[in-house]
Amino acid sequence: DADVTQTPRNRITKTGKRIMLECSQTKGHDRMYWYRQDPGLGLRLIYYSFDVKDINKGEISDGYSVSRQAQAKFSLSLESAIPNQTALYFCATRSGWNQPQHFGDGTRLSIL
Amino acid sequence: GNSVTQMEGPVTLSEEAFLTINCTYTATGYPSLFWYVQYPGEGLQLLLKATKADDKGSNKGFEATYRKETTSFHLEKGSVQVSDSAVYFCALIPNRDDKIIFGKGTRLHILP
Repeated sequence: DADVTQTPRNRITKTGKRIMLECSQTKGHDRMYWYRQDPGLGLRLIYYSFDVKDINKGEISDGYSVSRQAQAKFSLSLESAIPNQTALYFCATRSGWNQPQHFGDGTRLSIL
Repeated sequence: GNSVTQMEGPVTLSEEAFLTINCTYTATGYPSLFWYVQYPGEGLQLLLKATKADDKGSNKGFEATYRKETTSFHLEKGSVQVSDSAVYFCALIPNRDDKIIFGKGTRLHILP
């Protein structure tokens, strides 16, 4: 089983819909992250969390919200999806500040 | 501020050719440096890392040396294979800062 699991892997939806992307991990890491990947732009940080009670905005948090339900679970929500949120979304975890991140396989989201 | 600049792709090479993907960075202090690889349909995987000046990271035939005097961390491989076709990301963690800063990625195509 994957250490970092994202669901769904693919999602097509319509403008204005509420969408939740889920991430769960078995690595026991406290730190969890959500990124979006767009062609030519690399990865951009949306939100990150150091533990259940600690949530922080990244560089592009507008239009997104998150929930850290447990140490192992970190979900990303789009309250009212818009087409320019079409992208590949990645969840990642990390054990400490100087350690590499471990990524899930991504969720490909298309908003029509 | 902190930033990572890597060569734009796509880079197309024939099998067994020598590979260099350039990466330079801007950061204060002594950042840790990473190369990640993303295969089609997958998340990013850590390829190699270096945490101090003159360190050489290596994995799967790839190497990169942390050069503080030139603020560079170029990725090299002596003989590439078709299976090396992927997107490669250079990244840094600023000293005692939690955020990872990614370059925009370089797509590599290896022709048989």
